[in-house]
Order: sequence, then C-alpha cells, then structure tokens
Amino acid sequence: GAVVSQHPSRVICKSGTSVKIECRSLDFQATTMFWYRQFPKQSLMLMATSNEGSKATYEQGVEKDKFLINHASLTLSTLTVTSAHPEDSSFYICSACGTGGNSPLHFGNGTRLTVT
Amino acid sequence: EDKVVQSPLSLVVHEGDTVTLNCSYEVTNFRSLLWYKQEKKAPTFLFMLTSSGIEKKSGRLSSILDKKELFSILNITATQTGDSAVYLCAVQTGTASKLTFGTGTRLQVTL
Repeated sequence: GAVVSQHPSRVICKSGTSVKIECRSLDFQATTMFWYRQFPKQSLMLMATSNEGSKATYEQGVEKDKFLINHASLTLSTLTVTSAHPEDSSFYICSACGTGGNSPLHFGNGTRLTVT
Repeated sequence: EDKVVQSPLSLVVHEGDTVTLNCSYEVTNFRSLLWYKQEKKAPTFLFMLTSSGIEKKSGRLSSILDKKELFSILNITATQTGDSAVYLCAVQTGTASKLTFGTGTRLQVTL
C-alpha cells in the first residue's frame, strides 16, 4: 500500500533557529500533500496544503512566512519552521493521498519538535 | 466551518468488552469519512466510508456510515489491551482530499 516517510522523527533545537522536516511518498506520486500539527491530547489540525509546482495553501491563522512549504517534486514536500520558538513545539505530521479516485490519506510517522 | 464531533472523549473498558465509538459531522461537500487509530505516533488507517448503510469490517473492528443522519460508528468487539489508543474520525471534503478531524476518543482497555 501507499507509504509516506517523514524525517526526522524527533528534533530538538534552540529558539531562533530553523528546522526543516521532509515528507516523501515512497511508492506513489503525490501532487498534493498535507501538513498537520498536533498538540498534546488534541486532534490533528491542518496547517497547509502543499501543491507540487505551486504555492502552498495555508489554513486561517497559520503564518506562511513562518512555516515555509516547498513541494519541489511529486514525491517530496518540505516544511521549514523558521525562527522557531518554544510555542512551536509540537508534533508535525504530513500526509499524502495515494493514486486512485478514492484513496485514503496515509500519514508519515510524524516529527516531534521541541524548541528550547 | 466544517465540524466533526466524536464521543465519548474517553472510555475505559475491560478486556473482552464491546465498545461503540461515535462520530457526527457537519460539513459542506462531503466526500468520505475515515477512521484512524493513533497510538504513540502518526495515525494508521482503519476504514474509509463513502456510502450509507454498508458495513466495513476488519477482524474485530467494523464501521458504518449514515449520510442522512450525518454520523458514523466504529465498533470493536472482544477488546484487547492492544486496542488501547486514540481513535480519530475524519471527514474528507472537496476535490483536494482535505481532512477535518474530530477530537478523538481515547480508549483504554484494562485487564
């Protein structure tokens, strides 16, 4: 079945630095990928929709200049958290839809970001 | 604004019990409803439902959708401790496969 790989799985960084998270579709091409954020004991909140070859679409309240998304190829999307602050500490998860009209979304294993 | 509501928020049962998890939704441009199981990492896919009244089954888990009353249930029979997890309901809308998630039901199965 469809597999989505996310890297790194865990990252700790200092306040003010930038962190890049990669999301790859391993056995299918994904023109669209999604980035979610999950705070402890809360559900997944969609941050943005990443479109291959064009600008990402951000959800209301998500700063596009802080969360940079690049979807450079049909198998790779990256999320860069710029000038990270402790309140950006969260679990970030990417997802992609498999091929076929009614394929479910499959998720990467997530990245736990801790900003100190 | 699209809304997905799950109940109960949390549940503790004994091994062997049967549980029913609920998901109701109010969305525009409904496409499908999905159930996921989340343990410590990212959610794993369980079911995708698009049509009313057709039960999907996988082992001890089953799910059904009612598009008229706008809800779905997830049943787990003969629960085991390995079923302990957060169960997420999500509704897919529009053509871009966007998912709106409910808050989840935290299930704990005890011995």
